Amino acid sequence: NAGVTQTPKFQVLKTGQSMTLQCAQDMNHEYMSWYRQDPGMGLRLIHYSVGAGITDQGEVPNGYNVSRSTTEDFPLRLLSAAPSQTSVYFCASRDTGRGNTGELFFGEGSRLTVL
Amino acid sequence: GDSVTQMEGPVTLSEEAFLTINCTYTATGYPSLFWYVQYPGEGLQLLLKATKADDKGSNKGFEATYRKETTSFHLEKGSVQVSDSAVYFCALTSARQLTFGSGTQLTVLP
Repeated sequence: NAGVTQTPKFQVLKTGQSMTLQCAQDMNHEYMSWYRQDPGMGLRLIHYSVGAGITDQGEVPNGYNVSRSTTEDFPLRLLSAAPSQTSVYFCASRDTGRGNTGELFFGEGSRLTVL
Repeated sequence: GDSVTQMEGPVTLSEEAFLTINCTYTATGYPSLFWYVQYPGEGLQLLLKATKADDKGSNKGFEATYRKETTSFHLEKGSVQVSDSAVYFCALTSARQLTFGSGTQLTVLP
C-alpha cells in the first residue's frame, strides 16, 4: 500500500499565484484532512472531510479551498497565495469504522514558500 | 474546546539518558491519546496510543500511561539513542478531530 501520497513535495510561488496541493490515499478512509505546520505552533487543522461530497472548516481555513469528489482524493487549493501561507502542509486520513481509535495516517508533507 | 499542552523544547540528552516529555490535556468526554513522532524531513507517524484510562501504550522502548485523574499522558524512555532524535507530538482525539500539542524537539548526542 502507498498510504497517503502528497504532491508536490516542494513548491515556490509568487504572491497572488494560485496552486493546488494534491492528496490521495489508498486505504479507503472516509476521513481526510489538511494541516499546516509552522515553527512553535504544532499542527493546525485547515479543512477536513468525513466522506465524498462533505467538507468542513478547521481552525485556520481562510485562504484555502477544498473539495472531495472521490473517497481517494482531497486536494487543497490556494486561490491567491500570500507570504503568510509559507508553511509545510500535511494531508492525513483515518478510518472511521466501528472500533477505530482515531489514528491518523500522514503524507510526507509539501513545503510551500510564497515570495 | 479540547487542548493539549506539552513540555517546551528543545530537549538535549546524552545517549542512554532517561527521557520524559510531559503532556497534559483538556477534553470533554473520553478521548483517545497519542504520541506521534516526526523524523527530519518526514511526515508524522504514530509512536504509541492509549484509548482508555490506565491504558499503557508502548513501542520502540517508549511508554506512556493514560492518567485520567491528572489528565496526563507523559512520554518516557529508559535509555535514548541517537536515532531517537526527532520532534514528538502529543495528541488527543474526540468527536471528529485530532488536536495536537506544539511538539517537543529532542536531540540525542552520542
